[in-house]
Amino acid sequence: GQNIDQPTEMTATEGAIVQINCTYQTSGFNGLFWYQQHAGEAPTFLSYNVLDGLEEKGRFSSFLSRSKGYSYLLLKELQMKDSASYLCAVREGGGYQKVTFGTGTKLQVIP
Amino acid sequence: DVKVTQSSRYLVKRTGEKVFLECVQDMDHENMFWYRQDPGLGLRLIYFSYDVKMKEKGDIPEGYSVSREKKERFSLILESASTNQTSMYLCASSLSAPVGNQPQHFGDGTRLSIL
Repeated sequence: GQNIDQPTEMTATEGAIVQINCTYQTSGFNGLFWYQQHAGEAPTFLSYNVLDGLEEKGRFSSFLSRSKGYSYLLLKELQMKDSASYLCAVREGGGYQKVTFGTGTKLQVIP
Repeated sequence: DVKVTQSSRYLVKRTGEKVFLECVQDMDHENMFWYRQDPGLGLRLIYFSYDVKMKEKGDIPEGYSVSREKKERFSLILESASTNQTSMYLCASSLSAPVGNQPQHFGDGTRLSIL
């Protein structure tokens, strides 16, 4: 099984940088995803890590340490539209594509 | 762009009714998933399917069943609806191969209320 932990809520200021952490304990590991979900909308894919290190995609970056069971999502130059929930999700090993989601971190960006 | 379409955005049913939630994807994805999302509990996997007529239980399958007769369609069935099944239901699909960066694509969700 999987156990995934993220902070419930965070607040940050427009223009700043925020780091959202995710820790996981898994019986198998085959990749970690970050999704963004605005209130009342479907989750949308942000990033994917399967090897240790940093993946950068514009204002968003995601980091993975497999030995520590740890990932973070880094958002730079925060904008008001970044106010959303951010979901960490871990895919199990093996042939199936089963993914387990964390409960999500609700980020509020304030002026 | 991948399109995952859920048949209803809002649905109200009564306790004991048999309820069908339909999901259709247009990108020939092998994998399809049903989740429910509740405040404080996040997304929880009910069932998933990796091929036509194949299904696997997720973390909370009790009270639900699924059907996948065609590759593009995955149906969630509440055999006898109960009030604790009031929730937001999300369908998703993904490619199987190559295994790697194959994210799930979500529908807009069905907000189901059981009275």
